[in-house]
Amino acid sequence: GNSVTQMEGPVTLSEEAFLTINCTYTATGYPSLFWYVQYPGEGLQLLLKATKADDKGSNKGFEATYRKETTSFHLEKGSVQVSDSAVYFCALDSGAGSYQLTFGKGTKLSVIP
Amino acid sequence: SAVISQKPSRDICQRGTSLTIQCQVDSQVTMMFWYRQQPGQSLTLIATANQGSEATYESGFVIDKFPISRPNLTFSTLTVSNMSPEDSSIYLCSVARAGELFFGEGSRLTVL
Repeated sequence: GNSVTQMEGPVTLSEEAFLTINCTYTATGYPSLFWYVQYPGEGLQLLLKATKADDKGSNKGFEATYRKETTSFHLEKGSVQVSDSAVYFCALDSGAGSYQLTFGKGTKLSVIP
Repeated sequence: SAVISQKPSRDICQRGTSLTIQCQVDSQVTMMFWYRQQPGQSLTLIATANQGSEATYESGFVIDKFPISRPNLTFSTLTVSNMSPEDSSIYLCSVARAGELFFGEGSRLTVL
């Protein structure tokens, strides 16, 4: 079956530091890949997505590239802000717009001034 | 986007009781889902709530334990039946719209 593995948290960074949160996956077929973010006290929100190999998703300064050869979708940001403090979830679907997502365990990011 | 309201936002329940969680969406959607997030774990899909028919459950989840209703295209309920401490989780409603999945803020249940 499908599975998603993402780096354990929590991660604590200083403002303007570089962020990488690793995500690898196991899936059959051709899944779409997602990063969701959950800010304190709020629901999950889609941060970015990629639907096929070599696609790069980007939003709010965050980027992730769909790497089929390494089955990875690492999240990166060049300069984090305090407002980026949140829990980040990597996820995949079964393909063909199934909306039935498999999630990683989440990585809590804290950015300190 | 989609505005999703869940009730209750949190509750503390006694072992053996049942609790129903409500999910209201701001406009009609075809696809609604229920997820569970156990402490320290990832989100797991419980079931797809189908309007006008029985919900479709994922492996490991059964209708007797998690009955779901979907009376119309904007509303669904999830009941957690005969609760035990292992059911302590955050339960999330989600909807699909315009190629994206949106989530409610979740209902945090603690079972004593």
